[in-house]
Amino acid sequence: DQQVKQNSPSLSVQEGRISILNCDYTNSMFDYFLWYKKYPAEGPTFLISISSIKDKNEDGRFTVFLNKSAKHLSLHIVPSQPGDSAVYFCAATWRDDKIIFGKGTRLHILP
Amino acid sequence: DARVTQTPRHKVTEMGQEVTMRCQPILGHNTVFWYRQTMMQGLELLAYFRNRAPLDDSGMPKDRFSAEMPDATLATLKIQPSEPRDSAVYFCASGLAGNTGELFFGEGSRLTVL
Repeated sequence: DQQVKQNSPSLSVQEGRISILNCDYTNSMFDYFLWYKKYPAEGPTFLISISSIKDKNEDGRFTVFLNKSAKHLSLHIVPSQPGDSAVYFCAATWRDDKIIFGKGTRLHILP
Repeated sequence: DARVTQTPRHKVTEMGQEVTMRCQPILGHNTVFWYRQTMMQGLELLAYFRNRAPLDDSGMPKDRFSAEMPDATLATLKIQPSEPRDSAVYFCASGLAGNTGELFFGEGSRLTVL
């Protein structure tokens, strides 16, 4: 039972354009939502998070939007750069520190 | 340069053998997580600890997997006996309790069971 779902296995975006990665969740009790980035042969690294009481958080080129009524969040990357090519994982936390991840979306930035 | 250290980085073994993976969390971190990455399931949570106490290991096949924290500087994940379906990359991550979910991951242990 996947409580955090990333339905797009891959996404290709032209360099300089906007990349939008999507994530859906089923549990209303999640506390925080996070995005992690993973390069091949490395562990995931934290990118950005958002509290369940907010609807937007921005950090440089990265913005996460949370739509609680739709149980949906998205990560926007503007402008997309070649170094953004990676696998992006959506994750969610409970108050007891449990953190679960989605299956990931592979982002390809095209030259 | 604080980081999570995992050993071994690569392990090839035969079905039925015991496998032990080790993790040194970042000093001062009080939560430790074990995840398994597969193509089909993405990052699956196997078990996690807070202050060395196991909080949830429901993601692990109980009959063959075990996870422990003998002390604050070492977490172990053991598989006995190993099976080909256990082939995956196993990640350890550490963090601070109540810190909004930011975890620091090791580089992973790639396990191949023949």
